[in-house]
Amino acid sequence: AQSVTQLDSQVPVFEEAPVELRCNYSSSVSVYLFWYVQYPNQGLQLLLKYLSGSTLVKGINGFEAEFNKSQTSFHLRKPSVHISDTAEYFCAVHPTGGFKTIFGAGTRLFVKA
Amino acid sequence: DTAVSQTPKYLVTQMGNDKSIKCEQNLGHDTMYWYKQDSKKFLKIMFSYNNKELIINETVPNRFSPKSPDKAHLNLHINSLELGDSAVYFCASSLRFDRGTNEQFFGPGTRLTVL
Repeated sequence: AQSVTQLDSQVPVFEEAPVELRCNYSSSVSVYLFWYVQYPNQGLQLLLKYLSGSTLVKGINGFEAEFNKSQTSFHLRKPSVHISDTAEYFCAVHPTGGFKTIFGAGTRLFVKA
Repeated sequence: DTAVSQTPKYLVTQMGNDKSIKCEQNLGHDTMYWYKQDSKKFLKIMFSYNNKELIINETVPNRFSPKSPDKAHLNLHINSLELGDSAVYFCASSLRFDRGTNEQFFGPGTRLTVL
């Protein structure tokens, strides 16, 4: 079975500051890793995904994430956030060839002026 | 042009009523999902269909019944609505669940309020 832990439920940050949203996972099989973003009153949309290869993955809106196999982590980063980045961010894992994607509980990023 | 659409966007109803939510995707995907998101934003899978066949049926009350008339549509019918059913319901779709990466495309959500 797989599980996903997002270590922070809320992350307040000032505009133009860097941010890191932390995600740890556990799985006995290989997995694909995802970050989704949910803006207020909208559905989720894909930010980025790790399938294989380079451990640094770049996504939309200047976000990137680094896969660390030894620490089973997939932390999301952005060097300089904007007010418009205020949203809920979900880390997710999908076992290769498996049935179900497991989502973390979400981290609310709140960007202050 | 909308990839995954849901209707209605908002649904306000009384306890005990029966209601349906419809979902359609025009991405040519084989697999569709229903998720429930509670007030704390926790996302819980309810059902998944692959080409009209039920493949995931989580611990959900029998009052919830999904129906997939074809692989582009997945509807959710809820009988005897209860206060605890109030939530946002999301439909999503992906390529065949056991092939590819299972990247999912979500609809805009249906906010259900039971009074």
